[in-house]
Amino acid sequence: GESVGLHLPTLSVQEGDNSIINCAYSNSASDYFIWYKQESGKGPQFIIDIRSNMDKRQGQRVTVLLNKTVKHLSLQIAATQPGDSAVYFCAENRSGTYKYIFGTGTRLKVLA
Amino acid sequence: NAGVTQTPKFQVLKTGQSMTLQCAQDMNHEYMSWYRQDPGMGLRLIHYSVGAGITDQGEVPNGYNVSRSTTEDFPLRLLSAAPSQTSVYFCASSDFEDREKLFFGSGTQLSVL
Repeated sequence: GESVGLHLPTLSVQEGDNSIINCAYSNSASDYFIWYKQESGKGPQFIIDIRSNMDKRQGQRVTVLLNKTVKHLSLQIAATQPGDSAVYFCAENRSGTYKYIFGTGTRLKVLA
Repeated sequence: NAGVTQTPKFQVLKTGQSMTLQCAQDMNHEYMSWYRQDPGMGLRLIHYSVGAGITDQGEVPNGYNVSRSTTEDFPLRLLSAAPSQTSVYFCASSDFEDREKLFFGSGTQLSVL
């Protein structure tokens, strides 16, 4: 159930290193952003979210950075592990609507 | 809690056939939605529902029907399948209080020949 990787950007990272996955969002009116992880054959899984009144939010081993000036979102994964191998994509939403805009995703490969 | 359950996991149809993709959630979520995922594209919203008896169109509704007779179930019907509907379909739900946080099912891979 993942985006087929024919044209999916791929990030290869050595196990134990930090990963940074980037996303450019499209709607300047969006005020809520989410990162999802999608493993092969599975549905997307929520990782972390951030609202537009923040520029940084931290979770367990993950940090999301938001730059509203250039409409850019990034996901940082600390000490990347083999279990982090998946497709990651961002989604944007405007509060009060039910319509999300999803990015196409980045495949993260963790090298042993 | 099983979360969001989708059936079937795989389906092959011939052009013109009809079928229903099932989606059920046991979290008492008000909001449910259907997305399709195609290579090189982000998830696209087909239809959504904010509660029993209420449905609305998303970005790509043509060729699909939905109904929401109960809080738990949100089936997606393909009336006359076309090859362009070959895709992976995901159902998602969320709670009204935290509506932006979507919980996804594991998907249905549909091929239309």
